[in-house]
Amino acid sequence: QVQVVQSGGGLVKPGGSLRLSCVASGFTFSETYMNWIRQAPGKGLEWVGQISSGGYVTFYGDSVKGRFTVSRDNAKNSVFLHMNGLRVDDTAVYYCARDPHMGGLVTNYFDSWGQGALVTVSS
Amino acid sequence: EIVLTQFPATLSLSPGERATLSCRASQSVDSDLAWYQQRPGQPPRLLMYDVSKRATGIPARFSGSGSGTDFTLTITSLEPEDFSVYYCQHRSDWPLTFGGGTKVERK
Repeated sequence: QVQVVQSGGGLVKPGGSLRLSCVASGFTFSETYMNWIRQAPGKGLEWVGQISSGGYVTFYGDSVKGRFTVSRDNAKNSVFLHMNGLRVDDTAVYYCARDPHMGGLVTNYFDSWGQGALVTVSS
Repeated sequence: EIVLTQFPATLSLSPGERATLSCRASQSVDSDLAWYQQRPGQPPRLLMYDVSKRATGIPARFSGSGSGTDFTLTITSLEPEDFSVYYCQHRSDWPLTFGGGTKVERK
């Protein structure tokens, strides 16, 4: 069955860096767009970024553009979120999520989510 | 950026009652709208996409309607597991955005 398992997260000081990872199984990862979405404590959902199936195209939300980078390694069924210049307001649970690709097309919806990784930015 | 406003913020209902949740977009998103359910401590789950299509495994008591700027998620008869937070999300343009959520709580 489809599984998305995350790792990474933790406490980091303002201005620091962190990398989150996500390993997927149960579907053809190399043909699937992947996304990162975050949720600040007690708050709603914020889309962070997306990477195309081949890894050549990425999109980012305005609040992370220039600081965060999404990459992938299709040989290892993995997607990564590289976070630099972290700020206190980046504190959140970060989820990776699959695009369901209905009818073989990218949907920009999210149907299989990782369990989440908490990133806390604090001095 | 397209802003999605959900209302009410909280809906207090009893099991068996009908729930009607609303999502309003700051500009037309056509039919490019999804709904998610999030239970405490869990990641969100896709419920509906393209306004009215149920995702895999979603029971028929969930339905969606609307187009353009005004959308509704209806749960015809609340089951105990439906007491959760619900989010709408559009895919009409970049950036993809979510509404602020509606919490369906037990009265």
